[in-house]
Amino acid sequence: ELKVEQNPLFLSMQEGKNYTIYCNYSTTSDRLYWYRQDPGKSLESLFVLLSNGAVKQEGRLMASLDTKARLSTLHITAAVHDLSATYFCAVLSGTYKYIFGTGTRLKVLA
Amino acid sequence: NAGVTQTPKFQVLKTGQSMTLQCAQDMNHEYMSWYRQDPGMGLRLIHYSVGAGITDQGEVPNGYNVSRSTTEDFPLRLLSAAPSQTSVYFCASSYSGTGENIQYFGAGTRLSVL
Repeated sequence: ELKVEQNPLFLSMQEGKNYTIYCNYSTTSDRLYWYRQDPGKSLESLFVLLSNGAVKQEGRLMASLDTKARLSTLHITAAVHDLSATYFCAVLSGTYKYIFGTGTRLKVLA
Repeated sequence: NAGVTQTPKFQVLKTGQSMTLQCAQDMNHEYMSWYRQDPGMGLRLIHYSVGAGITDQGEVPNGYNVSRSTTEDFPLRLLSAAPSQTSVYFCASSYSGTGENIQYFGAGTRLSVL
């Protein structure tokens, strides 16, 4: 059974600092997703990573995928308060079954 | 283009009551799914459907029923609500044709069972 683990679960960081969220998954998959969720809101798609070595960047966020290590990272550069949210990774099992990590709650302090 | 629409947004039930959470999408997506979100547990898949007339169980299907008579609609039924079903429920849809299979989520239904 596919399992997805994220760490850390909670992250409190100062504005301007860099940090990385890790997403490990237990079996082979060729699709990995990152979502953002603001408190009380729905999930918003950030990135989809389709192949080994894939890297995508949007603003201060950069996601990468290593399928051999079964690891994806979400790197935050020079954090700002607006990035405070919960971030989820999800892995596609087969064609249609998505398995989510438990989420990383990020709080950026001024 | 409304995307994925869920109703109601909030609901309070008494133990043993039944209700249906509605989900509709207007993107002609073949795949639809229901998740529940509980603190510290991420999103857990309840049921999913890969097309009209085709449904399957996810990780936590007990206590929930689904059907899919049209491409657009995928209702979730609670037959006899229990306090353990207090949660936030999200419906999502996706399309495999682009190769990316990105899921789009509804706004959620916050359910309390007393």
